[in-house]
Amino acid sequence: GENVEQHPSTLSVQEGDSAVIKCTYSDSASNYFPWYKQELGKRPQLIIDIRSNVGEKKDQRIAVTLNKTAKHFSLHITETQPEDSAVYFCAANLGTYKYIFGTGTRLKVLA
Amino acid sequence: IAGITQAPTSQILAAGRRMTLRCTQDMRHNAMYWYRQDLGLGLRLIHYSNTAGTTGKGEVPDGYSVSRANTDDFPLTLASAVPSQTSVYFCASSPDAGIGTEAFFGQGTRLTVV
Repeated sequence: GENVEQHPSTLSVQEGDSAVIKCTYSDSASNYFPWYKQELGKRPQLIIDIRSNVGEKKDQRIAVTLNKTAKHFSLHITETQPEDSAVYFCAANLGTYKYIFGTGTRLKVLA
Repeated sequence: IAGITQAPTSQILAAGRRMTLRCTQDMRHNAMYWYRQDLGLGLRLIHYSNTAGTTGKGEVPDGYSVSRANTDDFPLTLASAVPSQTSVYFCASSPDAGIGTEAFFGQGTRLTVV
């Protein structure tokens, strides 16, 4: 069925190192891939997104890459800081009027 | 301030009771969604609506119903609550899910069914 798989479920990195989170999707009709950050006790908020006609997008320390052939996309955070600690969700709109989210990655940046 | 609002913020509910979670947005977004968030399972789509008057089932629709009488409101009803429906519920909206746009989330409703 339609699904989005996300790995790893938890990730610990030293401050200043890079973090990479990967997602795969099942529906080849998906055309929009957002990433959300959720801090403890708060609502998810969009941090970056990419459309199917673009292979890579960057915004300061965060970047997203998309491989449509392999149906996977990744979030890259460079020079991680303690405030990057949160749960990150990938999502895909599976060619229909609904978003399906991955199961989340809990990122811990160790000072 | 424009945005999306949920009510209540938290609720303890006896099993078997009926409960409606309210969601209102003032951004004139066409698409609205209900998700439940459980530890280790991420955000799972319960129901969605791509425009007023239409609704659709998501990944986990059983035990829940929705209606979309107008653009602004998208209530979620639990007809007879069960403990497995204990979760944090998020309502979200987006301008038009068909072309892929950012989804804005409400602050969440923490529901405990006992």
